[in-house]
Amino acid sequence: QSALTQPRSVSGSPGQSVTISCTGTSSDVGGYNYVSWYQQHPGKAPKLMIYDVSKRPSGVPDRFSGSKSGNTASLTISGLQAEDEADYYCCSYAGSYRYVFGTGTKVTVL
Amino acid sequence: EVQLVESGGGLVKPGGSLRLSCAASGFTFSSYSMNWVRQAPGKGLEWVSSISSSSSYIYYADSVKGRFTISRDNAKNSLYLQMNSLRAEDTAVYYCARTISSTSCPNYWGQGTLVTVSS
Repeated sequence: QSALTQPRSVSGSPGQSVTISCTGTSSDVGGYNYVSWYQQHPGKAPKLMIYDVSKRPSGVPDRFSGSKSGNTASLTISGLQAEDEADYYCCSYAGSYRYVFGTGTKVTVL
Repeated sequence: EVQLVESGGGLVKPGGSLRLSCAASGFTFSSYSMNWVRQAPGKGLEWVSSISSSSSYIYYADSVKGRFTISRDNAKNSLYLQMNSLRAEDTAVYYCARTISSTSCPNYWGQGTLVTVSS
């Protein structure tokens, strides 16, 4: 199972919007509506930001939104804030209790 | 409050074995499938293994199949990962993670335990 493809880095100024893509195949991203997104700060465990493509857990700001089209899922951060600077990973169900993660994207707030 | 606390990490020589444990609390452990996910230093996340709520279904990533064994004890609210024939490339922080359902990606994560394989 190959990792999902994400851009290595994206950046934006405070208040701007950034979008991170996550490209897989019809066996994972394209085959199921079970894509999640995680935020990870250095030395910390991943934090769930979006699950099941576009659902937000309680406590996650509505600046974070998710979508999917075909084999590509996307995470958009609107109104970028300094505390959003972190690594972001996507995850997709791949059938039979298996999961595949993305390669990771570093978000830099300029 | 959901809590997952891993233990058992440490330094081990190539070819050696280690057993990781994850103590769960704050939810009905026996109702949820559980997973191990690892992250090598400076690298991304990698799903390692999953086990269904009743242990009926067990799956492994190809990278650990035949060397790692996942198990659980619902009476003790605990998840385990027996790691044998360890290699340098198994060096990583190992996270215990719970899913919302058997299909959604993990939603709750422990703080992780570091496994270092080195001579």
